[in-house]
Amino acid sequence: SQTIHQWPATLVQPVGSPLSLECTVEGTSNPNLYWYRQAAGRGLQLLFYSIGIDQISSEVPQNLSASRPQDRQFILSSKKLLLSDSGFYLCAWSVRREVREVQETQYFGPGTRLLVL
Amino acid sequence: AQTVTQSQPEMSVQEAETVTLSCTYDTSESDYYLFWYKQPPSRQMILVIRQEAYKQQNATENRFSVNFQKAAKSFSLKISDSQLGDAAMYFCAYKSNFGNEKLTFGTGTRLTIIP
Repeated sequence: SQTIHQWPATLVQPVGSPLSLECTVEGTSNPNLYWYRQAAGRGLQLLFYSIGIDQISSEVPQNLSASRPQDRQFILSSKKLLLSDSGFYLCAWSVRREVREVQETQYFGPGTRLLVL
Repeated sequence: AQTVTQSQPEMSVQEAETVTLSCTYDTSESDYYLFWYKQPPSRQMILVIRQEAYKQQNATENRFSVNFQKAAKSFSLKISDSQLGDAAMYFCAYKSNFGNEKLTFGTGTRLTIIP
């Protein structure tokens, strides 16, 4: 079965420091990968998605970047964190679009709680 | 752009009773997917149920069922025989079938189960 991991689970960082959040998926090949952010008490906002290695699309201009160095690894980074980067970051995966229905569901990881002080 | 609206910030239900959570959406597309996700205190997003817009039959998953009204752009979630473990935030989400990978979420409904 497929599993998705995120680490760290919780992170407290000072303003201006760098950030690296990691997400890995097991049990599947060539997944679509996603980074979402959830501000306190709100729904999720898509930040980045990737349909393959070095194929990354950004949904919202911001202080963050994403990379996909391996097929099942997705990394969210920042060179200098802002206070507004605080939130809950969720990674998700879905099966690459080939067959209708099965492909459209996104499955989420446990998330990383980031607090920027 | 698509939007998803959940007009009930909070709902409560007595254990073993039935509750319905509302969701409406706005889109000009005819082919899309709708989802209900559950977010318990652990904050992991868990898929509850999925509906394909081209299917007329309402989706069901055990105690969870939806009332999909395509013309009205309404997608409500019914939870039967509510259990304490159902307490969570519930999010309605929309996904286009036209190459856009984005899931658009509503703002959520917090469901409390009263013992």
